[in-house]
Amino acid sequence: ETGVTQSPTHLIKTRGQQVTLRCSSQSGHNTVSWYQQALGQGPQFIFQYYREEENGRGNFPPRFSGLQFPNYSSELNVNALELDDSALYLCASNPYGEDRVFGSGTRLTVV
Amino acid sequence: DQQVKQNSPSLSVQEGRISILNCDYTNSMFDYFLWYKKYPAEGPTFLISISSIKDKNEDGRFTVFLNKSAKHLSLHIVPSQPGDSAVYFCAARRGAFGNEKLTFGTGTRLTIIP
Repeated sequence: ETGVTQSPTHLIKTRGQQVTLRCSSQSGHNTVSWYQQALGQGPQFIFQYYREEENGRGNFPPRFSGLQFPNYSSELNVNALELDDSALYLCASNPYGEDRVFGSGTRLTVV
Repeated sequence: DQQVKQNSPSLSVQEGRISILNCDYTNSMFDYFLWYKKYPAEGPTFLISISSIKDKNEDGRFTVFLNKSAKHLSLHIVPSQPGDSAVYFCAARRGAFGNEKLTFGTGTRLTIIP
C-alpha cells in the first residue's frame, strides 16, 4: 500500500469518447504528476500540478487535461479518445521537492 | 527521440550472483538519475538515485554507478535474490528543485533463476 490510490483499475472506452481517471494522494502531497505507459515502453510524463495549478507539461496535446483538488486528489481527463491512448496511466504524488510515490495505475483500453 | 535508453530488454541471472543493469542517456542537461523497480499490476517503486556530482551511490545490496563522460549509468544488485525479479526502469531528471518531469528508459526485465 503506497498511499496513492488510483481508480478505476481497468477501463474500456470507445474511440471518440471522453474519460476521467482519478488519483487520491496522501495528506501533504501537494505535488502530483501523471504518466502514460504504453505497452513495452517506459512511462512518459504528461504533466504535473502543484497546489492546484499545472506547472509542467510533457509532449501531450491539449485534449489531455487535469485537475488537482485541495483534498490531495486529482484527475486526468482525456477528450476525443484515440486508439493510441490505450495505455497504463500512472499517478505519482509527493510533498514538494521530495521523493514521489506512484500509484498502481489505471489500464485504459480504447476500442 | 529516446533520451534515456536501456538496450537490454531482458536479463537472467543466477540467484546469489551479481545483476548489472545498464542505462545510457543523451541529454547532458540531466543531472539526477533514478532507478525504479516495477512488479506486474503495481506502480514503479523507487530503488536508488544518484546526483550528477557523484559517481557512486550505495544502499544495501544496490549500488548505482554514474559515468558522466560516457553518459552511462549502471545498477548493480548483489547478491541477487528471487524477489528481485521485476522490470527495472532507469529515469533521468533535469535540474530545478520541484521539477517532477522524469524521462524513463524502456525498462529491463530481470529474472533471477533459483
